[in-house]
Amino acid sequence: SAVISQKPSRDICQRGTSLTIQCQVDSQVTMMFWYRQQPGQSLTLIATANQGSEATYESGFVIDKFPISRPNLTFSTLTVSNMSPEDSSIYLCSVKPGGGETQYFGPGTRLLVL
Amino acid sequence: SQKIEQNSEALNIQEGKTATLTCNYTNYSPAYLQWYRQDPGRGPVFLLLIRENEKEKRKERLKVTFDTTLKQSLFHITASQPADSATYLCALDAIGNNAGNMLTFGGGTRLMVKP
Repeated sequence: SAVISQKPSRDICQRGTSLTIQCQVDSQVTMMFWYRQQPGQSLTLIATANQGSEATYESGFVIDKFPISRPNLTFSTLTVSNMSPEDSSIYLCSVKPGGGETQYFGPGTRLLVL
Repeated sequence: SQKIEQNSEALNIQEGKTATLTCNYTNYSPAYLQWYRQDPGRGPVFLLLIRENEKEKRKERLKVTFDTTLKQSLFHITASQPADSATYLCALDAIGNNAGNMLTFGGGTRLMVKP
């Protein structure tokens, strides 16, 4: 299993600004994932972040808008850049420890863009 | 295109009854299927995983079936309790996915168990 924490837990931001979300895991993991969950919707994968390589982005998501860092095996950040109200969502960090099949999720960061 | 469908309408049942949630998929050849529970304001929590060669899996009051012919999974909660009220998500992991074993989630079904 894995215990994941995220910071901040929530934030209210002005349009045009950027927010960096931190994800900390209590064990070393190779694969980390960032998801978005818009109000009333299910989870959509933004990107996969492996330590030591560039993040892989899913269709509809680009690095300029959602830059990701993965400096070590227990930490990652996701930045939401030049925010607009459409970016209001919950952002979730997730890991697959030990090469297993189960994913564990952080508590999420609730973002509101005004 | 690949699609995962869950009943978007909330399922309301009486305490003590069995809740049955459905997950249908198209254009997938999943290696396995997973069910997660999500409470408001929280991240999803893993419940059960069932592989393509398994018909049924049980864990305490939970039972999952997997029919690769019908392309459907059923998730049952027996002797349901108000504490079981949450949104339940199914997720598929397809072999050969470009992202390398990523999960794709259905829209979730909200379960409400009334006392």
